[in-house]
Amino acid sequence: QSALTQPASVSGSPGQSITISCTGTSNDVGNFNYVSWYQQYPDKAPKVVIYDVTKRPSGVSNRFSGSKSGNTASLTISGLQGADEADYYCSSYTTSSTLVFGGGTKLTVL
Amino acid sequence: QVQLQESGPGLVKSSETLSLTCTVSSGSISGYYLSWIRQPPGKGLEWMGYISYTGSTHYNPSLKSRVTISADTSKSQFSLKLTSVTPADTAKYYCARGAWSGDLEYWGPGTLVTVSS
Repeated sequence: QSALTQPASVSGSPGQSITISCTGTSNDVGNFNYVSWYQQYPDKAPKVVIYDVTKRPSGVSNRFSGSKSGNTASLTISGLQGADEADYYCSSYTTSSTLVFGGGTKLTVL
Repeated sequence: QVQLQESGPGLVKSSETLSLTCTVSSGSISGYYLSWIRQPPGKGLEWMGYISYTGSTHYNPSLKSRVTISADTSKSQFSLKLTSVTPADTAKYYCARGAWSGDLEYWGPGTLVTVSS
């Protein structure tokens, strides 16, 4: 299985909105509404911020939102804050009953 | 609060078998899917496989011939074995508990395993 495709880096200024894309295929992202997004700080374990494409776990800011169109899922962070600077990974369930991650995106808050 | 903790050797020799255990505290493993994920230094996440509460397993096709995941529900533990390791298997290894669909809700802090040549 191939990794999902994410941009290597994105950046934005405080208060702005950014969107990170995650492109897969009809065998994963396009076939299921089971895309998750994880936030990872350096030397820390990842933390889920979005699951099932659009759902937000308890305690996650409503500035984080998810969506999907065809084979591409997206994570949008609005009202960008310095604390949002981290690596972000998407993942998807696949038709082989496995999981696959994206390559990761480094978010820089300018 | 559910907590996961990985344990095992931090150094393994090439060609040998890497073995790690994940202990789940303050929470059950029954009813959940238990995953292993690894992250080489400076690189991205790679899902290795998971075991369901029924004992069924699913593995990353790229690792399938070398990976075995098992669980001991009585001890709230699940384990990873990776055979025939090489330096390319050097990574931080994480265990996680989640749903079958991939919502990995709880993660361990991770443990760094170095494979020496």
